[in-house]
Amino acid sequence: NAGVTQTPKFQVLKTGQSMTLQCAQDMNHNSMYWYRQDPGMGLRLIYYSASEGTTDKGEVPNGYNVSRLNKREFSLRLESAAPSQTSVYFCASSETLGVTTQYFGPGTRLTVL
Amino acid sequence: KNEVEQSPQNLTAQEGEFITINCSYSVGISALHWLQQHPGGGIVSLFMLSSGKKKHGRLIATINIQEKHSSLHITASHPRDSAVYICAVRWGSGNQFYFGTGTSLTVIP
Repeated sequence: NAGVTQTPKFQVLKTGQSMTLQCAQDMNHNSMYWYRQDPGMGLRLIYYSASEGTTDKGEVPNGYNVSRLNKREFSLRLESAAPSQTSVYFCASSETLGVTTQYFGPGTRLTVL
Repeated sequence: KNEVEQSPQNLTAQEGEFITINCSYSVGISALHWLQQHPGGGIVSLFMLSSGKKKHGRLIATINIQEKHSSLHITASHPRDSAVYICAVRWGSGNQFYFGTGTSLTVIP
């Protein structure tokens, strides 16, 4: 099992460009999450998907959109990137939305110039 | 504002020492999660707790619901334990976890 995979690992964008971060899990998990991690701050939830076909905003959703393509895949889109979106992005999955362990992907380091 | 605070922020220990990392939170929670972030950036779940104590190998996690406090202990520390340890809590019936800023641990041989 690969667990949770993310692509790309690194990306540099110019302000105003768009891009999609891809995430896939092979653990048959129902719930998936997108987090960002900034220096000096804890991980913050951007969006989550409790199950296939549903998505909900987390703590910091502005400037992002998500798609739960199927049970395996959950993508994060930046429509018009801003320097404030420079961060490390982590995707995670868990069996359910309840009190279950979350499994994290390796992260995507994004720089917006 | 609901908060999660970890202490210490940074910790250096000699190999073999007993280590304690603390997590305090401001209101009642339904679950607490301890995670380890490796120097390369990867994040691994260590424990999920709602009460009591859990042990896995040299790691022990405890939670005191009344005092709103959890501790992560590492016995017989080893340089490979060097990492950032992160505490996250879920408030009440909420759907998401809120994360502390982490404790950076360095174990010196």
